Amino acid sequence: DAGVTQSPTHLIKTRGQQVTLRCSPKSGHDTVSWYQQALGQGPQFIFQYYEEEERQRGNFPDRFSGHQFPNYSSELNVNALLLGDSALYLCASSWGTPRREQFFGPGTRLTVL
Amino acid sequence: GDSVTQMEGPVTLSEEAFLTINCTYTATGYPSLFWYVQYPGEGLQLLLKATKADDKGSNKGFEATYRKETTSFHLEKGSVQVSDSAVYFCALTPAGGTSYGKLTFGQGTILTVHP
Repeated sequence: DAGVTQSPTHLIKTRGQQVTLRCSPKSGHDTVSWYQQALGQGPQFIFQYYEEEERQRGNFPDRFSGHQFPNYSSELNVNALLLGDSALYLCASSWGTPRREQFFGPGTRLTVL
Repeated sequence: GDSVTQMEGPVTLSEEAFLTINCTYTATGYPSLFWYVQYPGEGLQLLLKATKADDKGSNKGFEATYRKETTSFHLEKGSVQVSDSAVYFCALTPAGGTSYGKLTFGQGTILTVHP
């Protein structure tokens, strides 16, 4: 049983560009959450998708947007990249009640130059 | 809003030493509490959890007890191994049905264990 997968593993972009990160949830999971982890910090919640809708959002600007597909996979899009967007982006999947365990992928390391 | 505060690191121990990583939280009601571990180059893995006051979570020799009176969830292990070297994160999800499991993390504590 494959766990949560993310692509690409690493990405280098320049300021002002746009980026798309992808996530496939663990089999049987219907909820995907995205987190940003800056170097030396704990992950920060960006948003969560359920039934193809954004269900909850953290304190991130509108430059951060997402999508969930009918097969429950998800994309995170970031427009007008800033140097401060350099981070590890983590995807987590879960199912059922909110208190169930969230399973994390290995992350995508984004570097903005 | 909700917040989690962990003891500052890094923490360096010799093998078989006793480990304590302090974690305190601020949240309304009774959040669920978690410890996650992140090994180098990997994503986060759930280490243990507790969902109500006085619950003790345990896994792989690690333990943490949910203390409502002190709003704490300190991580302990009696005898650490070199393989325990990693970054440890304390986290919570709020009580109530509107949180949808949003995790709030502490800043992480780097643990290095020497042979």
